[in-house]
Order: sequence, then structure tokens, then C-alpha cells
Amino acid sequence: DGGITQSPKYLFRKEGQNVTLSCEQNLNHDAMYWYRQDPGQGLRLIYYSQIVNDFQKGDIAEGYSVSREKKESFPLTVTSAQKNPTAFYLCASSIERLHNEQFFGPGTRLTVL
Amino acid sequence: AQSVAQPEDQVNVAEGNPLTVKCTYSVSGNPYLFWYVQYPNRGLQFLLKYITGDNLVKGSYGFEAEFNKSQTSFHLKKPSALVSDSALYFCAVRPMDSNYQLIWGAGTKLIIKP
Repeated sequence: DGGITQSPKYLFRKEGQNVTLSCEQNLNHDAMYWYRQDPGQGLRLIYYSQIVNDFQKGDIAEGYSVSREKKESFPLTVTSAQKNPTAFYLCASSIERLHNEQFFGPGTRLTVL
Repeated sequence: AQSVAQPEDQVNVAEGNPLTVKCTYSVSGNPYLFWYVQYPNRGLQFLLKYITGDNLVKGSYGFEAEFNKSQTSFHLKKPSALVSDSALYFCAVRPMDSNYQLIWGAGTKLIIKP
């Protein structure tokens, strides 16, 4: 089955720790995205990548980092510099055309203890 | 600033009745328009999109959306609601001159009552 997988589904972090969220896709999509979702708000873009070894900051990149070493993988690291990291994190991918829809993974819920 | 508005935080509809979830936008040029649905603790699923052509777009699960250029709206509709349609619905817009970023609405919670 083609799709996007995210792991883990739930993640607990102590303050001051860095954590990495995994995102893998086997759809052969060029573009990949990371979003943050908070209750009552729309999705906010953290980072996106249109091609391997290249990525751009979104609206709320501070305190996050990413890498894109492989087409299939786009891991997100939530660093200790992110002051309020508790949220639902969604990864998405798409074919690199403006009119193409994005396909989403099931999400990772991060909670800071 | 470019924006997408979903004016209703929540919409309540009785099962079997028609439903409408509203979306208006303010972007430069002619955008591409999308609707997504999210079930609790899940990722988003694509429902439908408007690129060009017929203003009435049909999508998954019996949903359709009407594009109105003069009113800059893209309302989601369904003729007969099901309890299983209860979910969170997001409208998103991508301007044609964008850098692939989507502009998202805040979401509308749709509750279908039996």
C-alpha cells in the first residue's frame, strides 16, 4: 500500500530534551511538509521541502529542524528551543504541482511533561 | 495579507438534511481551492479541489463544493448528511503564484445528529 507513515503515534518529552519525529512516504512524491496543529487553529507550516537536500522554513520554524537526505524521508526534530512544543504534528507530501493535493500521515501527538 | 476564513466554528445538522460548510478567501489572483476532512486523532483526508472550469466540483463521500469567484467563496455541500460525516473540515487555498504553501482556514466542526 502506498502512503505516508509517521512514528511514533504518541511521544512524551521532558523539558530540555530534543525529540525527532519520523515521516516516511512511498508515494514517490517530491514535496514534503511538516505542520503543527493546535486546538481551534488551522494547520501552521513548520518546514517544507520540494527536493532532496533542500528545504525551506515555514511560518513557525523557530525551535524546529529538519533534514531531507532521501526522497522518502523528512524527519522533524523538536529542539529544546521550542517553548511550547505540545501539539499534534502532521506530515504531508505531494507531487510538485501547484494544483495537486497533499496527502497526510496519521500524525504524532507530542506532549511535554 | 492573504487569508482563508471559515466563519463557523461548528455546524449542527440533522441526519438526512442538507449541509453547508462555508469558506471565503482573500488572496491575490486566481487560486486553487481545496477541502480536507479530519476525523479525531487522525491525519487529514483530501475531499475535493477546484482548479478551473465548472464551478461545481464533486468529491469523495458524496461531497461537492461550489466556487463563486465574485464572492470569493468555496462552500462545501452535501445533499443529505450522514452521522458518519461528523468531523473537522478544513478549507485551504493556494494562490497560483505561490511557493507551494497552502493557506489554511481554522476548521469547522461538523456535527450530524441522528
